[in-house]
Formats: sequence, C-alpha cells, structure tokens
Amino acid sequence: RKEVEQDPGPFNVPEGATVAFNCTYSNSASQSFFWYRQDCRKEPKLLMSVYSSGNEDGRFTAQLNRASQYISLLIRDSKLSDSATYLCVVNSGNEKLTFGTGTRLTIIP
Amino acid sequence: DAGITQSPRYKITETGRQVTLMCHQTWSHSYMFWYRQDLGHGLRLIYYSAAADITDKGEVPDGYVVSRSKTENFPLTLESATRSQTSVYFCASSESRRGVDYGYTFGSGTRLTVV
Repeated sequence: RKEVEQDPGPFNVPEGATVAFNCTYSNSASQSFFWYRQDCRKEPKLLMSVYSSGNEDGRFTAQLNRASQYISLLIRDSKLSDSATYLCVVNSGNEKLTFGTGTRLTIIP
Repeated sequence: DAGITQSPRYKITETGRQVTLMCHQTWSHSYMFWYRQDLGHGLRLIYYSAAADITDKGEVPDGYVVSRSKTENFPLTLESATRSQTSVYFCASSESRRGVDYGYTFGSGTRLTVV
C-alpha cells in the first residue's frame, strides 16, 4: 500500500462550484500534513498546512481525520485560476515529507 | 534575490555521461532535499541533507551522488546517466527539523533528458 494515496482525477468542475479532494495515508504515526499546489511544468508550492482542528484560508478548507487516516481539501466558489494539480503531503515522523501523486483539477468556464 | 535556485533549467545529455545539477539557497536553511518527478510516481526523494557534510539516502538514491560542503549548496551528480534518469528534478529546502511542520520551498526544477 502506498504511504499516501490520492485520486488522480481529473476533476472537471464548472466555475463557481465547490470541489473536495480526499487523501489517505497509511502511517498512523504521521505528524504533519499539507496540501501543495503544482501548476503545469512548475514547482510545487505550499497551499496550506492541515491542523487537527481543521483550518480555513479564504475559499480553501483543510481537514484532518486521524481516526480514518485521511485529509481533505475543500475549495468553494472555484475560480479558473484554481486549475492545477493538488498534492497531498505527509510527514510520517521523520524529517522527510512524502508526496502523493496528485489530483488534477480543471475549472471549466 | 533571496530564494532557492536550480541550474540548469534544461539539460540534454548522452547515456553514460556524468552530469551535475546545482541547487543554491540563500536562507541558510539546514535541510535540503532532491526529488525527481515522473508521471505516475509523483515526487520521489533521492537524497537529503540535514546540514553541511551530513547527507542521507532517500527512496531512490541509486545512480546519484550528492555532497554538501557548504550550507547553501547541494549539488546532485548523476555518475553515469541512463535513460531511466530522464525526469524533472526538484531541489527543496526547509529551515530546520521544526521546519518540516512548515513544509518545504522548492526550486524551479531542472528538466533532464538523457538520450
């Protein structure tokens, strides 16, 4: 089983809609969780950290469910500029991060 | 400008040649990392370094060599390039062990093609 698993998509969503991604992780000792965004042919960039209590940044909400070992990302009122690949990232107790293969999102006008 | 820079941005090399990818950061971050990104595999860790003169293997280290004589530089060398090493290579840094809680900052990447 992969350490971090994501649905690769693609998710094709109309502009203004709400979209949610889930990501599962295998190591119950995992300590830190992130969502990164990667645009085509560019480097990954940190979108937001995921805290146990859940956190929100504008239209983006991230949640962590430790019991079921998954994290989620919700995007409300999606914009064309949200089109990208979203990477789920987990730190499993050492200093290295493990990246999921990403979920591709396309926002349709 | 401050940040993390990789060079070259693009490189084409022949099978069997040695090639070095450069990574330089200006933040004095302790940790530096090399990843490769391939379709279907996502980002895979090649090597990482906790500080100058301290390096360790990641998930896919075979065929690669790293060094870290200075905190700001972390070059990656392909000793004898193979076609399977055609990939996009990303360097990243983070401030410290606690910096893992804050994620990494990536360079712009090097697109390497081995022919």
